[in-house]
Amino acid sequence: ETGVTQSPTHLIKTRGQQVTLRCSSQSGHNTVSWYQQALGQGPQFIFQYYREEENGRGNFPPRFSGLQFPNYSSELNVNALELDDSALYLCASSSTGPAYEQYFGPGTRLTVT
Amino acid sequence: EDQVTQSPEALRLQEGESSSLNCSYTVSGLRGLFWYRQDPGKGPEFLFTLYSAGEEKEKERLKATLTKKESFLHITAPKPEDSATYLCAVGGGADGLTFGKGTHLIIQP
Repeated sequence: ETGVTQSPTHLIKTRGQQVTLRCSSQSGHNTVSWYQQALGQGPQFIFQYYREEENGRGNFPPRFSGLQFPNYSSELNVNALELDDSALYLCASSSTGPAYEQYFGPGTRLTVT
Repeated sequence: EDQVTQSPEALRLQEGESSSLNCSYTVSGLRGLFWYRQDPGKGPEFLFTLYSAGEEKEKERLKATLTKKESFLHITAPKPEDSATYLCAVGGGADGLTFGKGTHLIIQP
């Protein structure tokens, strides 16, 4: 069974630029969620994708957007990067049903300078 | 709005010294309470899901319990490899998970 994978591992961008992060879900999972984790904090929910549509969103501005593909992999796009966007970005996959357990990938460390 | 508070923020124990981590939560309706372990620079590793008050789950030296207002993660005779940040979260479904800030646990040999 293949776990959740994310790419790239690390990324350095300049304020104002745009970035795309990628995630492949665990085998058998059809739902992908994205989280932002600042240093010393718990992860914060950005949004969730199911059947290629966004079906839930946390308190993040529209410059955070995403996609889900037919193979259930996903992208997180962030436009007009700000210094406060520097964080660990986590992708989690899950399957539908009563068990809401989410399994996380290793994360992408984004640094905005 | 769901809220999760974890205590203590940090805990240092000697190897073999048992203790408990606390997770207090406020939700409009509990869909699930989740415990994760996170090592530095890595993604959270799933440990347990609890769904209703009175439920308990165990895995090796860890035992998670749930009441209507809080959950405890009991660590029995810990080893240095149990050192990590332990995260508690509530929620599930399309609203995602709401996490606490975590408890940073250090087990000294």
